[in-house]
Amino acid sequence: GNSVTQMEGPVTLSEEAFLTINCTYTATGYPSLFWYVQYPGEGLQLLLKATKADDKGSNKGFEATYRKETTSFHLEKGSVQVSDSAVYFCALHNYGQNFVFGPGTRLSVLP
Amino acid sequence: SQTIHQWPATLVQPVGSPLSLECTVEGTSNPNLYWYRQAAGRGLQLLFYSVGIGQISSEVPQNLSASRPQDRQFILSSKKLLLSDSGFYLCAWIKGRGWNEQFFGPGTRLTVL
Repeated sequence: GNSVTQMEGPVTLSEEAFLTINCTYTATGYPSLFWYVQYPGEGLQLLLKATKADDKGSNKGFEATYRKETTSFHLEKGSVQVSDSAVYFCALHNYGQNFVFGPGTRLSVLP
Repeated sequence: SQTIHQWPATLVQPVGSPLSLECTVEGTSNPNLYWYRQAAGRGLQLLFYSVGIGQISSEVPQNLSASRPQDRQFILSSKKLLLSDSGFYLCAWIKGRGWNEQFFGPGTRLTVL
């Protein structure tokens, strides 16, 4: 079946540091890939997505590239801010199936 | 534009009491609806989903149940809560299973004492 694996957190960084959160997936077919963000006490919000191989999703300074050869969709940001502190979920979706979410990675950014 | 509502926002209930959480979606029709649970510090667990009125699929057997009495209303219930039912409950929707974005509600924080 489909599955998503994320690096275990928590990840703690200083402000303006470079961020990478690894995500790899197992899926049949050609899934779309997503990063969702959850701020404390809130629901999940879509951060970015990519629908086919080599697509790059980007939003709010975050980027992720759909790498089919390595089945990965790593999230990156060049300079994190305190306001980026949240839980980040990698997810995949195949047509006609339910979304599959990774376990989430908690990011804490210190001033 | 579409919006999704959940209530209550927070709930504290004793063990053995009943539960009813409600989710409604506005601005769309025939959505697929989902209930997830997020235990403290954990990922998302899909509990139920529904592709139409009266159609409920259960992903995890437990003492919870779901109902969809109207097109845009999804209810999560229990007759007798357990301590292990504590968590953050999220409702979500997509236009249809082929659509490529899932939208989440603000969540309900349930504490069972």
